[in-house]
Amino acid sequence: KNEVEQSPQNLTAQEGEFITINCSYSVGISALHWLQQHPGGGIVSLFMLSSGKKKHGRLIATINIQEKHSSLHITASHPRDSAVYICALGRGGADGLTFGKGTHLIIQP
Amino acid sequence: NAGVMQNPRHLVRRRGQEARLRCSPMKGHSHVYWYRQLPEEGLKFMVYLQKENIIDESGMPKERFSAEFPKEGPSILRIQQVVRGDSAAYFCASSPELTDTQYFGPGTRLTVL
Repeated sequence: KNEVEQSPQNLTAQEGEFITINCSYSVGISALHWLQQHPGGGIVSLFMLSSGKKKHGRLIATINIQEKHSSLHITASHPRDSAVYICALGRGGADGLTFGKGTHLIIQP
Repeated sequence: NAGVMQNPRHLVRRRGQEARLRCSPMKGHSHVYWYRQLPEEGLKFMVYLQKENIIDESGMPKERFSAEFPKEGPSILRIQQVVRGDSAAYFCASSPELTDTQYFGPGTRLTVL
């Protein structure tokens, strides 16, 4: 079983829709990261969470440590939000991040 | 403050040649991570370094791959005698402290012919 699972794997939505991407994990973590990878390949760190909720513009990330689950929400989605969204686990030790397989999001105009 | 820099952005090598990938972390960042993204696969951790020290190389293939982060200059990921299976995007990330957000470079796309 993978340590981190994302759903859905692929998501196509219309511009303006509210988007939710889920991440479940099975190991202890110090922080959970949400990353965005654009079609050109570049990776941007969106959030690092250890508890609660964070908001940045139209993006909201939540985490429930007891349930080992996190969600990334996009409000008023736009075609420029089309990208791969990746959940990654930080263990707080000397190892690097453990990545989910990503959610391919397409927002159609 | 410039972001994480990686060069080259694209690298083509023939089988058996050496590949050298460079990563300059953000100013003030002393923690460097290397990740590999194989075609159609997710990102995988390779190695974590601090200045002059390899802290964790548990994700590095045992042979042909090495990494360094010297006191002066960029971090280098070196792949000797490349094979077609080494074709991938190699990303470097840096952070100021161990538990901080990691900032990713643009990646080096290695193609082995």
